[in-house]
Amino acid sequence: QSVLTQPPSVSAAPGQKVSISCSGSSSNIGNNYVSWYQHLPGTAPKLLIYDNNERPSGIPDRFSGSKSGTSATLGITGLQTGDEADYYCGTWDSSLSAGVFGGGTKLTVV
Amino acid sequence: EVQLVQSGAEVKKPGESLKISCKGSGYSFTSYWIGWVRQIPGKGLEWMAIIYPGDSDTRYSPSFQGQVTISADKSISTAYLQWSSLKASDTAMYYCARLASGWPPNWFDPWGQGTLVTVSS
Repeated sequence: QSVLTQPPSVSAAPGQKVSISCSGSSSNIGNNYVSWYQHLPGTAPKLLIYDNNERPSGIPDRFSGSKSGTSATLGITGLQTGDEADYYCGTWDSSLSAGVFGGGTKLTVV
Repeated sequence: EVQLVQSGAEVKKPGESLKISCKGSGYSFTSYWIGWVRQIPGKGLEWMAIIYPGDSDTRYSPSFQGQVTISADKSISTAYLQWSSLKASDTAMYYCARLASGWPPNWFDPWGQGTLVTVSS
């Protein structure tokens, strides 16, 4: 059981947009920055969003992040088949004094 | 270029010990937290532990406290994750990654390529 809750799967057609939610509590998302990662099979995870809504260099602006209260959302527009991957949210948990990840969301582009 | 290179795949028997490594380059190794993340086959990412090589300060997830030991040798810019007695349930891919500067360290970037650990009799 992950500390952060994500939907197990989402799907959308190419060119469409999708949102992936990440729900937590005041000890984690509510008082700390959220990051998002893309994990393609057989590769290392890649940072997509940090500090709730910032994109690292090289990440296209099709990817966006937002946070409100104890929840965060990853948005992806202009979906491409290459976006099919598992997506994870992460943050620090002040009660645990450790980081936490969501359970992951599998994105299917069909 | 900031890079993390991990040691190769391991096949061990239950009860054996193991130490895997992660060598950092392209940045000041002692100035950033570095951590380990587990992924059991078919499951999600799990935050395990982090270390600050500058002073060897460590943090463990409660789920992994007492199960593994994180360490670092700053003279060779290398972090380690070790087990004293492996179990079949330790079979997983293990990733190391550098964390953001500042406190708390909120995000991982970049990541190592992963080390597959298989524990089987």
